Amino acid sequence: GESVGLHLPTLSVQEGDNSIINCAYSNSASDYFIWYKQESGKGPQFIIDIRSNMDKRQGQRVTVLLNKTVKHLSLQIAATQPGDSAVYFCAEAYRGAQKLVFGQGTRLTINP
Amino acid sequence: DAGITQSPRHKVTETGTPVTLRCHQTENHRYMYWYRQDPGHGLRLIHYSYGVKDTDKGEVSDGYSVSRSKTEDFLLTLESATSSQTSVYFCAISESGSYNSPLHFGNGTRLTVT
Repeated sequence: GESVGLHLPTLSVQEGDNSIINCAYSNSASDYFIWYKQESGKGPQFIIDIRSNMDKRQGQRVTVLLNKTVKHLSLQIAATQPGDSAVYFCAEAYRGAQKLVFGQGTRLTINP
Repeated sequence: DAGITQSPRHKVTETGTPVTLRCHQTENHRYMYWYRQDPGHGLRLIHYSYGVKDTDKGEVSDGYSVSRSKTEDFLLTLESATSSQTSVYFCAISESGSYNSPLHFGNGTRLTVT
């Protein structure tokens, strides 16, 4: 599959444990944030998004936390499964921007 | 895959040759985008379209052109491919085009320029 980053930060977790993937964003004007999952050989897949008027948003087995004070975003995955192995990207955007600005990604590996 | 088909999935071409990548969507979305993904750079926007025959440049548009003659098709052309254009190219679509709505991506085209 495609190499999305040869030297990405890597997080290894045991199957069944919770995973927390962190992201620091750069622009204090950003008010929209989004997480993508990218499996080998595939395109980024939308997981969950959050707007800056919220601190927390939950989806199916995932939770995104936003701390605007320190410009930090995290993705929590509950009861990590082998199918969660992938590269996870955060992205940010602000009103007037023409595009999302993507982070470099974190590779999540699951230990059996 | 949000009804997005990219073709070809893999392409090897020589420096100086023209290359066209195709993105086809079945969602009838107005907004379409071309990104490239490279190690150390993440995803970067090349060009985008906000309707038939309406396109604009992204942050890395030099050396690329696009065309959109139908809602469902967005073509990316490298007029004269260079080795620096070796990359994985992703097409994305958006229903609203708003900055605060998600993009949905295809599965990419891996292009190698020798």
